[in-house]
Amino acid sequence: GENVEQHPSTLSVQEGDSAVIKCTYSDSASNYFPWYKQELGKGPQLIIDIRSNVGEKKDQRIAVTLNKTAKHFSLHITETQPEDSAVYFCAAIGRNAGKSTFGDGTTLTVKP
Amino acid sequence: DSGVTQTPKHLITATGQRVTLRCSPRSGDLSVYWYQQSLDQGLQFLIQYYNGEERAKGNILERFSAQQFPDLHSELNLSSLELGDSALYFCASSVSGRGETQYFGPGTRLLVL
Repeated sequence: GENVEQHPSTLSVQEGDSAVIKCTYSDSASNYFPWYKQELGKGPQLIIDIRSNVGEKKDQRIAVTLNKTAKHFSLHITETQPEDSAVYFCAAIGRNAGKSTFGDGTTLTVKP
Repeated sequence: DSGVTQTPKHLITATGQRVTLRCSPRSGDLSVYWYQQSLDQGLQFLIQYYNGEERAKGNILERFSAQQFPDLHSELNLSSLELGDSALYFCASSVSGRGETQYFGPGTRLLVL
């Protein structure tokens, strides 16, 4: 089955700096890669996603890049703000699969 | 607000007991997923239903079972509870259940004493 590795497990940055979280996946059949943000005591919330026919996608301060050949994808957050502090999860899903395989999460702390 | 609702929000029970967690998917979504998140752990997929039928199974214990009803709400039953079952249980839903965005509910926090 699919295996997703996520790094780093914790990340601390100064407000205004950029943050990058990386994930690798094992199953070449995976073609949909969402990123979720989970704040304390809440459910994961989708923040951005990318499909395998696209190399990069951007939404304001958040961007995701995908390298299908190397089987890795990354989340980039620019101009970080304290409210970006949360746990971020990547996931990989196959075209005909329902089940998502999630990374173990990255705890991002943005220091004011 | 994702549109997915879960009840109850919190549940405290004793070892050996049985509990039922309930989930209502977003309007129009036919597929429901259950995940377990233990302390400082990632999201472990338990089981998926689509339009009342089981579609995929993950690391779900035999003591756990689920079903999806004709009105598309789902219930996760946890029996013979152990201390290690204490966790956050999330329900998510999606339209067709294949290769698409899942929307998560707020979760049920279960504490087994």
